[in-house]
Amino acid sequence: GDSVTQTEGPVTVSESESLIINCTYSATSIAYPNLFWYVRYPGEGLQLLLKVITAGQKGSSRGFEATYNKETTSFHLQKASVQESDSAVYYCALGDTNAYKVIFGKGTHLHVLP
Amino acid sequence: EAGVTQSPRYAVLQEGQAVSFWCDPISGHDTLYWYQQPRDQGPQLLVYFRDEAVIDNSQLPSDRFSAVRPKGTNSTLKIQSAKQGDTATYLCASSPLGQQDTQYFGPGTRLLVL
Repeated sequence: GDSVTQTEGPVTVSESESLIINCTYSATSIAYPNLFWYVRYPGEGLQLLLKVITAGQKGSSRGFEATYNKETTSFHLQKASVQESDSAVYYCALGDTNAYKVIFGKGTHLHVLP
Repeated sequence: EAGVTQSPRYAVLQEGQAVSFWCDPISGHDTLYWYQQPRDQGPQLLVYFRDEAVIDNSQLPSDRFSAVRPKGTNSTLKIQSAKQGDTATYLCASSPLGQQDTQYFGPGTRLLVL
């Protein structure tokens, strides 16, 4: 079936350190999956961080980057230097435009220490 | 532009009681989604509508859950005879025509069934 697996949290890093949250996907019923990272900051609703719809392309937002790798079925989230304000829960997700379907991973809690 | 709004924000029930959740999507968004998010899990789709029509309710426990969107705008999700296993956050999301897999989420309703 279709699924998303991501780094189990919590992940704790210090401010200014680099970050990678791993995400791999399985898209057995989706011919051309779209890939997403959503984020939920404390006290706020889930919101889209970045989206990539073409294999081989990179998406970026707020200093975060993720590259759609079809060969390894991965979409890892990276940031070179995290800030305390990046503390949040990050969700990798897989979408099928034709079927209006989005499948989420379990989420990764990120704690950034000052 | 106002975001997706939901009410109530919290609900606490005894097993066997009924509860309704209300969602007002972003104006002009034709597609509306209801998700269930158990603790430490990602959102899991229950049902979604395009305008007033149910497109997919295959994941909705039909014996106790129901959802309507009579005028293609606001929507109500109802649980009859709640069970402890229904404890979760219930998220509503909407998306505009042509961007079905880019979803805008409300703050959610946190339900606790005792």
